Amino acid sequence: QLVQSGAEVKKPGESLKISCKGSGYSFTNYWIGWVRQMPGKGLEWMGVIYPGDSDTRYSPSFQGQVTISADKSISTAYLQWSSLKASDTAMYYCALCGSGYSYFDYWGQGTLVTVSP
Amino acid sequence: QSALTQPASVSGSPGQSITISCTGTSSDVGTYNYVSWYRQHPGKAPKLMIYDVSNRPSGSSNRFSGSKSGNTASLTISGLQAEDEADYYCSSYIGSSTPHVVFGGGTKLTVL
Repeated sequence: QLVQSGAEVKKPGESLKISCKGSGYSFTNYWIGWVRQMPGKGLEWMGVIYPGDSDTRYSPSFQGQVTISADKSISTAYLQWSSLKASDTAMYYCALCGSGYSYFDYWGQGTLVTVSP
Repeated sequence: QSALTQPASVSGSPGQSITISCTGTSSDVGTYNYVSWYRQHPGKAPKLMIYDVSNRPSGSSNRFSGSKSGNTASLTISGLQAEDEADYYCSSYIGSSTPHVVFGGGTKLTVL
């Protein structure tokens, strides 16, 4: 099971860190990732992390724009922004990968991030 | 612009079969058997329907099947039901200098 943190309303330029807590499986042994869905738009693969050794893969579209991290002591993955933009307004899903990181087996409920002046 | 190309919409009547295509390149779909398909109902999180081109997750309906030919993957839904009306997304692994995964633009399935 993946449980995500609650909805956030932020202003442009602010920082943000949202979370995704895993339970019911060995958190360190599976890749876990993040997917963005802007309002009325499709899914976008952002990146994944392997909590066992913090190995991380990013989509070129999101490299340098966000930071994915994990704290294996509390089975929680994070998605972080240092300076939000209005265009970051979206639903963000965390999801657990199956074998490797080529597909997402289980999904969290989503975290809605709204960035508005 | 999505790296994988899907039709914007498809439709079918209950009981019929439909196929959704997903066209990539030799850098993704054409080389790797890491194509997945997801279904998303409005306001809900996506659900995995097919992985590794043609494998169904345990507990998934056998009305869903996947295949691949060259740079194009396909999802076929047989015996259409009202509950199948949703958005469908394909995804593929991309083997590049920065390996990652990309989604298609999505296809809206309407059950008439």
